[in-house]
Amino acid sequence: DVKVTQSSRYLVKRTGEKVFLECVQDMDHENMFWYRQDPGLGLRLIYFSYDVKMKEKGDIPEGYSVSREKKERFSLILESASTNQTSMYLCASSPTSYNEQFFGPGTRLTVL
Amino acid sequence: GDSVTQMEGPVTLSEEAFLTINCTYTATGYPSLFWYVQYPGEGLQLLLKATKADDKGSNKGFEATYRKETTSFHLEKGSVQVSDSAVYFCAAGGSQGNLIFGKGTKLSVKP
Repeated sequence: DVKVTQSSRYLVKRTGEKVFLECVQDMDHENMFWYRQDPGLGLRLIYFSYDVKMKEKGDIPEGYSVSREKKERFSLILESASTNQTSMYLCASSPTSYNEQFFGPGTRLTVL
Repeated sequence: GDSVTQMEGPVTLSEEAFLTINCTYTATGYPSLFWYVQYPGEGLQLLLKATKADDKGSNKGFEATYRKETTSFHLEKGSVQVSDSAVYFCAAGGSQGNLIFGKGTKLSVKP
């Protein structure tokens, strides 16, 4: 079974802190994705990556950056956390483009 | 641009009732279509998929048929159970190789 793991299930940070969310997949997938999920808004794509060191902006990249130094790991970085970044963050991976995505359990981030 | 629209929730049903959750998409060409389910406190799990017109995806009693003439992929189940209570997301393959998700429909099934 494909496994996508995220470094934390729950995280509480303060405004202005730098926050790292880590995601690891164990199936050698090419593509990895970061979404945020908010009530009434569904899933919104933040960034995605098709290969190591490659990144593409999604629909809401402002305030975020990403890093993919190894194929299995995709990190989401909040350079200076703000309260409006309080949300559920979901990581996903897929073997190829346009294919089904496999999701991690999510990280619920609260910024105070 | 590409988009997915699914019926607003929440939907509340009694056990053994028939379920339909409507989903329509706007996309270039004929994208693959998916239904995902999210149980409380968990990530999304793939429920079923269809990759071309007239395909029927099915899993755990749920079904959806890819209708290109109506650009729809409605989710159905003949007899829901309490354990089906979850949020359901419809998704379509996007032009950038990603997936476009609907906003989700929360289903509550009462015994």
